[in-house]
Amino acid sequence: GAGVSQSPSNKVTEKGKDVELRCDPISGHTALYWYRQSLGQGLEFLIYFQGNSAPDKSGLPSDRFSAERTGGSVSTLTIQRTQQEDSAVYLCASSFHRGTSGTTNTGELFFGEGSRLTVL
Amino acid sequence: DAKTTQPPSMDCAEGRAANLPCNHSTISGNEYVYWYRQIHSQGPQYIIHGLKNNETNEMASLIITEDRKSSTLILPHATLRDTAVYYCIVRLRGTSYGKLTFGQGTILTVHP
Repeated sequence: GAGVSQSPSNKVTEKGKDVELRCDPISGHTALYWYRQSLGQGLEFLIYFQGNSAPDKSGLPSDRFSAERTGGSVSTLTIQRTQQEDSAVYLCASSFHRGTSGTTNTGELFFGEGSRLTVL
Repeated sequence: DAKTTQPPSMDCAEGRAANLPCNHSTISGNEYVYWYRQIHSQGPQYIIHGLKNNETNEMASLIITEDRKSSTLILPHATLRDTAVYYCIVRLRGTSYGKLTFGQGTILTVHP
């Protein structure tokens, strides 16, 4: 489809296991963002990519969390040694970069439907 | 980015206009006002944004006060599907974007 795609949509894992969450942004979007939303809570910023680099990773809660983006497209968020407090919906968003020729640039973010992570 | 203040919840009757307020008294001259909403179990959805002029699109209207310290999102004819959390966010548009900082938003409930 034309939107931001995330997988898996649901993931149940045991405490201590590693998990990988994938985000496929809208084609042509150079900026990519990861957020998480715990039950009943607001959206918490994790990391932002511009191309393959991450100029802002200030929201990653611990060194168990890492993310990479390759080819300026797909991104993977990895959580090592998962803990119960990592349970949340992990949301990915993408946007146009300012100055991209021939494109409308409103600065809006397009979000995926999220990956729901449950750590038992 | 400037902090915003929104009421935690609001109700609206179906078919009536929903007017959602937002205070952003510390907004700077080059910061835009953005509105997003999040329907239950979905990702946030962009609604509208503006700098100082009132804006209208197919989803909503945005009214920004002359001093830019507050704004109102107007859903002209609310439907049950408009029940969602509405987020007012102030950010610099011209930066290399960085994060949108979401507050707690306003839970809008549209009643039949």
